[in-house]
Amino acid sequence: DAGVIQSPRHEVTEMGQEVTLRCKPISGHDYLFWYRQTMMRGLELLIYFNNNVPIDDSGMPEDRFSAKMPNASFSTLKIQPSEPRDSAVYFCASSLTYWETQYFGPGTRLLVL
Amino acid sequence: ELKVEQNPLFLSMQEGKNYTIYCNYSTTSDRLYWYRQDPGKSLESLFVLLSNGAVKQEGRLMASLDTKARLSTLHITAAVHDLSATYFCAVDIQYGNKLVFGAGTILRVKS
Repeated sequence: DAGVIQSPRHEVTEMGQEVTLRCKPISGHDYLFWYRQTMMRGLELLIYFNNNVPIDDSGMPEDRFSAKMPNASFSTLKIQPSEPRDSAVYFCASSLTYWETQYFGPGTRLLVL
Repeated sequence: ELKVEQNPLFLSMQEGKNYTIYCNYSTTSDRLYWYRQDPGKSLESLFVLLSNGAVKQEGRLMASLDTKARLSTLHITAAVHDLSATYFCAVDIQYGNKLVFGAGTILRVKS
């Protein structure tokens, strides 16, 4: 298996623009997670899905952030409008069950100017 | 609010030496995970600890979990340069694999 796939790997955009991050989980994994990593706040869980259904979005910073999982093999995290403070590395991860380890994708490095 | 505290946050050690990284957490949980992250890279799973007293070993790394003390340790034996990385512990606070990560321990092994 290719592992968790994320795109783009790098994104530079200007404040106010819409940003869409994409994730393909490992085939057969029922759980999908979106994280954000910054120097100041570390690794934070934004939202997670079970069988394509959002279970907990309490980590989503504000209404500018939204996430969808239209099918078992694809998820998006959208920021609209983007702000400089959104600059971070965004990781997608997936796991087979609730107790097994999460496998992380390579991440998307987002810079909002 | 759950707190996951790692110490030390930075560890510089000589090759061949032993050391332990500690992970304390503030709420009841019996699932704890250790990850490794190399600079600019993603997170790699090291250990999954699912019960009190669980001990896992892989190479020069050994992890243990004491749920009563709310403490996990990652022990490094005879460190080598390749172990240089940032190590994170993560605690599952909710039935459903919702992880809260510690701040990470930056390990530098000097030749």
